Amino acid sequence: GQQLNQSPQSMFIQEGEDVSMNCTSSSIFNTWLWYKQDPGEGPVLLIALYKAGELTSNGRLTAQFGITRKDSFLNISASIPSDVGIYFCAGAFNDYKLSFGAGTTVTVRA
Amino acid sequence: DAGVIQSPRHEVTEMGQEVTLRCKPISGHDYLFWYRQTMMRGLELLIYFNNNVPIDDSGMPEDRFSAKMPNASFSTLKIQPSEPRDSAVYFCASTLEGFDNNYGYTFGSGTRLTVV
Repeated sequence: GQQLNQSPQSMFIQEGEDVSMNCTSSSIFNTWLWYKQDPGEGPVLLIALYKAGELTSNGRLTAQFGITRKDSFLNISASIPSDVGIYFCAGAFNDYKLSFGAGTTVTVRA
Repeated sequence: DAGVIQSPRHEVTEMGQEVTLRCKPISGHDYLFWYRQTMMRGLELLIYFNNNVPIDDSGMPEDRFSAKMPNASFSTLKIQPSEPRDSAVYFCASTLEGFDNNYGYTFGSGTRLTVV
């Protein structure tokens, strides 16, 4: 699949802080997605982006599809303990083959 | 709906043995995917089906791996013979074409395979 670079690899955050992570690709995508994975479970979709420049929110989560179509970011506002987990970006281009980033592990300090 | 159901949740087997992982997609979904997750390689797509037909198996690591979908409600991923490097979590996922957010396919809880 395509190479996706996700950063940071991990982060410790204070409860109530805002969090930002991003993903870049060497190739363009026409779909960007953000997933969250809890221990022992499969990834769950958080936000899907289908248009370059699109900014989409889902509660405290906001994600953007970069204008170049090679990047995306995810913001979490006012983090809470249940935000702990691994966040993955994923991209697709004209088919259902999703390429996933390596993940950002988020740990919240209460 | 009960979601995507995978079995078993955990499997420990000896090197050289045959392993079969099972998946029941969400009823009505016409796409089914098999992914493998490891620390080293992350989430990798192995194969996917549309209407029970394999569309792309380019991610299947080698001939020891095979997948089938005999009907719309069941799929298997088989490894024969298994090797220690096959140890990973294997996920099945499904989605419905034309449905909003169909790229946000639903993942099962995975099968953790350990080959010793």
